[in-house]
Amino acid sequence: DTGVSQNPRHKITKRGQNVTFRCDPISEHNRLYWYRQTLGQGPEFLTYFQNEAQLEKSRLLSDRFSAERPKGSFSTLEIQRTEQGDSAMYLCASSSINQPQHFGDGTRLSIL
Amino acid sequence: KQEVTQIPAALSVPEGENLVLNCSFTDSAIYNLQWFRQDPGKGLTSLLLIQSSQREQTSGRLNASLDKSSGRSTLYIAASQPGDSATYLCAVNRRDYKLSFGAGTTVTVRA
Repeated sequence: DTGVSQNPRHKITKRGQNVTFRCDPISEHNRLYWYRQTLGQGPEFLTYFQNEAQLEKSRLLSDRFSAERPKGSFSTLEIQRTEQGDSAMYLCASSSINQPQHFGDGTRLSIL
Repeated sequence: KQEVTQIPAALSVPEGENLVLNCSFTDSAIYNLQWFRQDPGKGLTSLLLIQSSQREQTSGRLNASLDKSSGRSTLYIAASQPGDSATYLCAVNRRDYKLSFGAGTTVTVRA
């Protein structure tokens, strides 16, 4: 399978804990994106990378959120001191320039 | 800020009927527009991408049109099948990388 891979698929944690998600993009894609989707809504843009450079961060991405893409390959999204409002599906996508974005199946985060 | 609206929010049709899904956006200065399908609990599958210079794109039973001046796109699905049941999302790309999504139209095709 050469699609976008996200791990874990589900994460349940207690409020106040830190969580980290991983995304492995399609290998030839130099762009990687993170989105967040809540129930009944479309995904909302969080941030994107071109190669290893993080080029834009949404205002939705508070200082508790950090994303990295070392060496321009896989990416991690970390949420520190999780809150109830962080419960959502976190989606990763990748693309080449001027090409459609391809999405993974997401990581569903539930905060107890 | 780009606002994307999809109407209706839900649609139920008998098998074989053609589907018409609507998407409207407020800022016509777009780079491209993409239609996605999402099955419950899954990620998004790209269906069609229309560049801002194009009027329509076709793939099999799917046809998407784009009217930038009026801020509208329409996805047509011909001869619907139960397997077409899913949520369909429209996304507008204003800066070549940042997709703004509508809330989607949930389609049920009855056998």
